[in-house]
Amino acid sequence: DSGVTQTPKHLITATGQRVTLRCSPRSGDLSVYWYQQSLDQGLQFLIQYYNGEERAKGNILERFSAQQFPDLHSELNLSSLELGDSALYFCASSVARAAHDTQYFGPGTRLTVL
Amino acid sequence: GEDVEQSLFLSVREGDSSVINCTYTDSSSTYLYWYKQEPGAGLQLLTYIFSNMDMKQDQRLTVLLNKKDKHLSLRIADTQTGDSAIYFCAESGSARQLTFGSGTQLTVLP
Repeated sequence: DSGVTQTPKHLITATGQRVTLRCSPRSGDLSVYWYQQSLDQGLQFLIQYYNGEERAKGNILERFSAQQFPDLHSELNLSSLELGDSALYFCASSVARAAHDTQYFGPGTRLTVL
Repeated sequence: GEDVEQSLFLSVREGDSSVINCTYTDSSSTYLYWYKQEPGAGLQLLTYIFSNMDMKQDQRLTVLLNKKDKHLSLRIADTQTGDSAIYFCAESGSARQLTFGSGTQLTVLP
C-alpha cells in the first residue's frame, strides 16, 4: 500500500458526460501528479500540482482539468467524454522538496466510456 | 523530446535470473526508476538509481546504468512466479514528471 488513495476504483459512463476522479496524497506529500494509462498511448503524464498550484502540464486535453485543494487532495475533471478517453488514470504523490522526488502511485481509477 | 524504450516481452524459468533492459534518450535525466505493475493493480516502486551511479543492489534486484550508452537494466535474481508482472522503466529530468517506457511483460514459467 503506497499511502495514495484514489476514488472511485471503477467508473462507467457514456460519451458526452463529465466525471471527477479524486486523489488523496500520502501524508506529508505536497505534490500530486496525474497520469493516463491506455493501450495505445501507454503511460503518459497529464499534469502536476504542488501545494495547490499548477506546476507542470503534459499531454492533457483541453477537455480535462485538475485542481489541488487546501487539504492537498486533488481532483481530475474529464468532460465531453469520448470513447478514446477510456483508460486507467493514476495519481502519484511526492514530497517535491528535494532534488530527488520519488513518486508513489495510487491504485488507479479505471474509466470506461460507452 | 524524451523517449524511453523497452522490449515488450520476457519469459524465464522459475529460479533463473531475469534481465529487463531499457534505453532512454534524455541526457539530462537525473533519476531512473523501475516500477512493477501486477494485473489490475497500480504501479509499485521497486528501485531507482541516480544518474551518477553505475550500479545499485537491493536484495534480489540489481540495477545497472551505462550513462554513456543511456542504457539501464534490471536484474532479478532467483525469479519466482510472484515476479510475473509488467515492469516499467521511467526517467525524470529537471521537469520531475516521469517519462515511462512501454513496459516489459515478464512471464515466469514453472
